[in-house]
Amino acid sequence: GAVVSQHPSRVICKSGTSVKIECRSLDFQATTMFWYRQFPKKSLMLMATSNEGSKATYEQGVEKDKFLINHASLTLSTLTVTSAHPEDSSFYICSASGQVPSYEQYFGPGTRLTVT
Amino acid sequence: DQQVKQNSPSLSVQEGRISILNCDYTNSMFDYFLWYKKYPAEGPTFLISISSIKDKNEDGRFTVFLNKSAKHLSLHIVPSQPGDSAVYFCAGRGSGNTPLVFGKGTRLSVIA
Repeated sequence: GAVVSQHPSRVICKSGTSVKIECRSLDFQATTMFWYRQFPKKSLMLMATSNEGSKATYEQGVEKDKFLINHASLTLSTLTVTSAHPEDSSFYICSASGQVPSYEQYFGPGTRLTVT
Repeated sequence: DQQVKQNSPSLSVQEGRISILNCDYTNSMFDYFLWYKKYPAEGPTFLISISSIKDKNEDGRFTVFLNKSAKHLSLHIVPSQPGDSAVYFCAGRGSGNTPLVFGKGTRLSVIA
């Protein structure tokens, strides 16, 4: 199957700083990338949908000025958590889909963010 | 409003037996359904999918059944292996390249 990478896999930052997470599709062109967040023992919560070259579409309740998403190329999307607070600590996962059969989404390995 | 429901949070099965994971949905506009397997601190891994125009799709040990009239799908794993122990998420989506809507997952434990 298609491969999606995320970097970093784990990050610890201080409250008030910003953190950038990268999501790359390694062997296919991803026209659309999705960003999810998973709380402990909960399902994946969709945060936003990003299409290459256009502004991301955010889900209700997700602050677009806090979670900046850039999808500058067909293989790279970034999520920047600005002015991070401890409540932003979570597991962030991206997925990518393209013209692969039936728009299956392939997920990255996730990024564990801890804000101290 | 939970559009995709996995009512069993956990399931234990003996190695070699069949595992049946169930999923119900409420959104009749879903066009496609997918099953993902997830280990802790990892991203979900795609397992198998089914289009809403089909009622069965098989891939090796994994078979997904769809009953549209009941808005129900199930994933069968046979024979179950200890390496299948993970959390399984059911997801549905509309037509085209649209976001997935996930259930809360079922933790499968396959006991040797």
